[in-house]
Amino acid sequence: DGGITQSPKYLFRKEGQNVTLSCEQNLNHDAMYWYRQDPGQGLRLIYYSQIVNDFQKGDIAEGYSVSREKKESFPLTVTSAQKNPTAFYLCASSISRRGNQPQHFGDGTRLSIL
Amino acid sequence: EDQVTQSPEALRLQEGESSSLNCSYTVSGLRGLFWYRQDPGKGPEFLFTLYSAGEEKEKERLKATLTKKESFLHITAPKPEDSATYLCAVLSNDYKLSFGAGTTVTVRA
Repeated sequence: DGGITQSPKYLFRKEGQNVTLSCEQNLNHDAMYWYRQDPGQGLRLIYYSQIVNDFQKGDIAEGYSVSREKKESFPLTVTSAQKNPTAFYLCASSISRRGNQPQHFGDGTRLSIL
Repeated sequence: EDQVTQSPEALRLQEGESSSLNCSYTVSGLRGLFWYRQDPGKGPEFLFTLYSAGEEKEKERLKATLTKKESFLHITAPKPEDSATYLCAVLSNDYKLSFGAGTTVTVRA
């Protein structure tokens, strides 16, 4: 089945630790996105990539980093510089690089602080 | 600044009791509006895209409509399985996508 796979489903971070969230898609989509979802707020864009080896910061990129070495993969690292990392993280992809086609989402990773 | 506001925040319905959700927006020109359904602990699932005022889309008990300033998601004769959070997202002329905070719908049998 085509889709987006995020792992792990739950992740715990210790103080001062970097953690990496995985996102893989087999939809052959060019564009990929990372969002953060907090209760009572709309999804906020962290980073996006429209093509391999290129990515741009979204609205809340501080404390996060990404890479896009393969079309199928767009991992997100939450660094120790992100002081409030507890949230639900969603990865999405789209066939359109410009965003005028719907994005399709994975089932998220819930990150908590130990 | 682009803004997307969904109302109400929460909606409790009896099975069969039709209702509507609102998504109002202030953006620098509209390129498209998307509706999603999100179940607890899951990612959003795409429902509809609307591109211009007057457009309507339907799927089972759901119908989405669009005007120049807002969109409505009508739920006709809802069933308990329609319980979810419904999100709308607006794509502006500069290709920026803004999400509303969602409306959580609970349908009681």
